[in-house]
Amino acid sequence: AQSVAQPEDQVNVAEGNPLTVKCTYSVSGNPYLFWYVQYPNRGLQFLLKYITGDNLVKGSYGFEAEFNKSQTSFHLKKPSALVSDSALYFCAAVYNFNKFYFGSGTKLNVKP
Amino acid sequence: NAGVTQTPKFQVLKTGQSMTLQCAQDMNHEYMSWYRQDPGMGLRLIHYSVGAGITDQGEVPNGYNVSRSTTEDFPLRLLSAAPSQTSVYFCASSYSLGSGGAVHTQYFGPGTRLTVL
Repeated sequence: AQSVAQPEDQVNVAEGNPLTVKCTYSVSGNPYLFWYVQYPNRGLQFLLKYITGDNLVKGSYGFEAEFNKSQTSFHLKKPSALVSDSALYFCAAVYNFNKFYFGSGTKLNVKP
Repeated sequence: NAGVTQTPKFQVLKTGQSMTLQCAQDMNHEYMSWYRQDPGMGLRLIHYSVGAGITDQGEVPNGYNVSRSTTEDFPLRLLSAAPSQTSVYFCASSYSLGSGGAVHTQYFGPGTRLTVL
């Protein structure tokens, strides 16, 4: 079965510290992986995606993600967190070109 | 461009009532989809369409119907609302996900918050 797992419901980090939001996937074939962010009462906004090529993908707002095929992971990272990064983050994988599978979401809290 | 628009923003229904959630996009995207978002479960795909006249089921299609008569519009119909359908519904669109091996970014609407009593 195709699935995406985000093992942490919530991540707390102090402003200025590095942050990591974890994601693992189980998708047959070549995975296409995405990160989206959702602010309160808003739709999802695209952050970055991995299709092929370099395992380190850079995206919007200083975020990056590292694709690790052997660990089937696609963790989201940022070197220095901002309070404004506080939001709900979703990892997603595309299966068979037509279906997105989303993780359950991780709430990121960045404290001043 | 307005992007992806959804109406209404909020809706309260009684059990057994029917209604249609509207979704429109002005980006000439081939692919459109409907998701529901429930706490702790992320987004789950209800139905999707790869072009006008073509629709298919996602993970949780029961109780919902869709049609795609034009490229721009992709309405979601609740046939007989149930409390289990209380959720936030998101519509999204993108260029064809499978075009030439490329996978395109989905753009999401602002959502419709539905409560079924």
